This record gives sequence, C-alpha cells and structure tokens, in this order.
Amino acid sequence: GAVVSQHPSWVICKSGTSVKIECRSLDFQATTMFWYRQFPKQSLMLMATSNEGSKATYEQGVEKDKFLINHASLTLSTLTVTSAHPEDSSFYICNVRREDSYNEQFFGPGTRLTVL
Amino acid sequence: DAKTTQPPSMDCAEGRAANLPCNHSTISGNEYVYWYRQIHSQGPQYIIHGLKNNETNEMASLIITEDRKSSTLILPHATLRDTAVYYCIVRVKAAGNKLTFGGGTRVLVKP
Repeated sequence: GAVVSQHPSWVICKSGTSVKIECRSLDFQATTMFWYRQFPKQSLMLMATSNEGSKATYEQGVEKDKFLINHASLTLSTLTVTSAHPEDSSFYICNVRREDSYNEQFFGPGTRLTVL
Repeated sequence: DAKTTQPPSMDCAEGRAANLPCNHSTISGNEYVYWYRQIHSQGPQYIIHGLKNNETNEMASLIITEDRKSSTLILPHATLRDTAVYYCIVRVKAAGNKLTFGGGTRVLVKP
C-alpha cells in the first residue's frame, strides 16, 4: 500500500488565493522531505528540501516567500502556494526519506494545481 | 551529482524485453545508479539501483558496464502497464540526498 500520501490530489483555485498541499508519511518518520513540481511534458524540478524543526532549503530561483514550507512534525510537511497565479499551475510532488535503517525514499502521488 | 543522458523516447512490443540505456560518463566512485519510472499523472516509482554489480528484482534488471560509464535497465517482459517515463539518476547514497531528474525516456509499450 501507499506509504506517502498527498492532500488534496487535485485543486482548482482562483488567481490570488493561497493553496496548501499536505504530504504525509503514513507509517514511518521522516526528518527530510523534498518538494518537486512538474510542468506538462517536463521533468520533475526540485523546489525545496523540507527539514523537520528547521527552515526549508530552497533551490535557486524558487521564491521562498511564495512557496511556504512547514515541516512541523516527523510525518507531515506542507507546501503553501501563496497568491497563486496561472503560471503556478503544475503537478506538485513530495518525496520522503524514511528515517530508519532502510534509508529508502518514497514519492507521494502528486497534487495537480490549476489556477484560473 | 553526475549528469545522465537517455534517449527521449522508445517503443517496444508487448511481451518483449525492453532495454533502456543510460549514459553517465562522469559518475564518481561513490555514486549509485538509480532508476525510477513515472506513469502519467502519478508520482515516480522506484525500480532498482546499483553501484557496480548487476542487480535484479521483481521489476527489472540493471546492467552496469565495468567502467560504470553507462547502464541498461531491462524490463524482461514488457506489458502495456509499463508505458511510462523512465528516469536514470546517479547520486551518492547518502541519507537525505536529493534526487535530480533529467529528461528521462518516454517508453511506449505497444500491443
């Protein structure tokens, strides 16, 4: 079964609103989660690394004030797209590293954001 | 992390083996080769990884050349459900290491 969930799976919002996307590890703890976005017919682009209990690390060119990341617990990270615009429409995917001897990483199913 | 080069697309026949090449000529000694695939509108799925020995699991086989500058992912009996984009990634197997995706190979399995 799925080990990483994302909510919502899809969302449509009006331009100017904020949207929160959740990423949860279902049966293991994770101090590190990664957020990616993917535009149509393109590859995944890493946006930021989410660290539990500390500030996220953003990739070059990603606005930290626009894409707010909160990793408040060992099983949950949230990505908030603030003041969303149509160009933010994309597929957002989280990737979670398992915090035990398995050292595995799992992807969530993704969240499709459409900004009108 | 070292860059990888993959063909942008390939077709294969259902039931036949699919051989997906990947070049990683600048790979470092401590970098592993990972393969993921992404079926349309889903998150990527881990397939297999290796360092220098060939590896096999229930999904695929990974053949790494002796100089480690290239590798091949083999899907032994492709099915229609194997249609996906396949990504070859090389990276250090360190805890929490981010994955950097290239363009991948879009594989279409045809009946």
